[in-house]
Amino acid sequence: QVQLVESGGGAVKPGRSLRLSCVVSGFTFNSHGIHWVRQTPGKGLEWVAVTWPGTSTGYYADSVKGRFTISRENSKNTVYLQMNSLRAEDTAIYYCVRDLAREAFDIWGQGTMVTVS
Amino acid sequence: DIQMTQSPSSLSASVGDRVTITCRASQSISDLLNWYQHKPGRAPRLLIHGASRLQSGVPSRFSGSGSGTDFILTISSLQPEDFATYYCQQSFNTRYTFGQGTKLEIK
Repeated sequence: QVQLVESGGGAVKPGRSLRLSCVVSGFTFNSHGIHWVRQTPGKGLEWVAVTWPGTSTGYYADSVKGRFTISRENSKNTVYLQMNSLRAEDTAIYYCVRDLAREAFDIWGQGTMVTVS
Repeated sequence: DIQMTQSPSSLSASVGDRVTITCRASQSISDLLNWYQHKPGRAPRLLIHGASRLQSGVPSRFSGSGSGTDFILTISSLQPEDFATYYCQQSFNTRYTFGQGTKLEIK
């Protein structure tokens, strides 16, 4: 069964840091890009970052560039999102999502809530 | 940046109705347009990718059309489980911009 399970969310004060984890199973981890997408309260979906297999370079939304870092640990089938200098506007549900052929997001985790206040 | 605009923002309909939701891109995105369904407390679900390709396991009452800047999601006969928020998303560039969502409610 294909699964992505997020953890690491919580409540933090502005300026602090938090690291989210996403453990994947049921598919070949090294064959897929993995994204983070967030949903802010009362608003819609916003793409945050992506990590592609075979490279340590991540790509980011302008709203988080320079503050967030995405990484992957192949031996653990895990993707991380290190979030530094958190702001109130980063408050959201963060979803870990599997990439489909660099075209769509086909499998989503259940999400982890981050509250910055 | 590519802006995605959905209309309407909300919609009331009855079971059995045919419903269409429109998504417009601020520039041409070819057919690199996806549709997602999102219910409260649940993970979003990919319905359509590449503008018109039905994702595996999605009922055939869902269909997508369009190319360039204008796209449509059609639900041919609404079922009770279809009441949700629907989002379009462009994958033409790696900003992966979403539309603001269309909330489909029961009339």
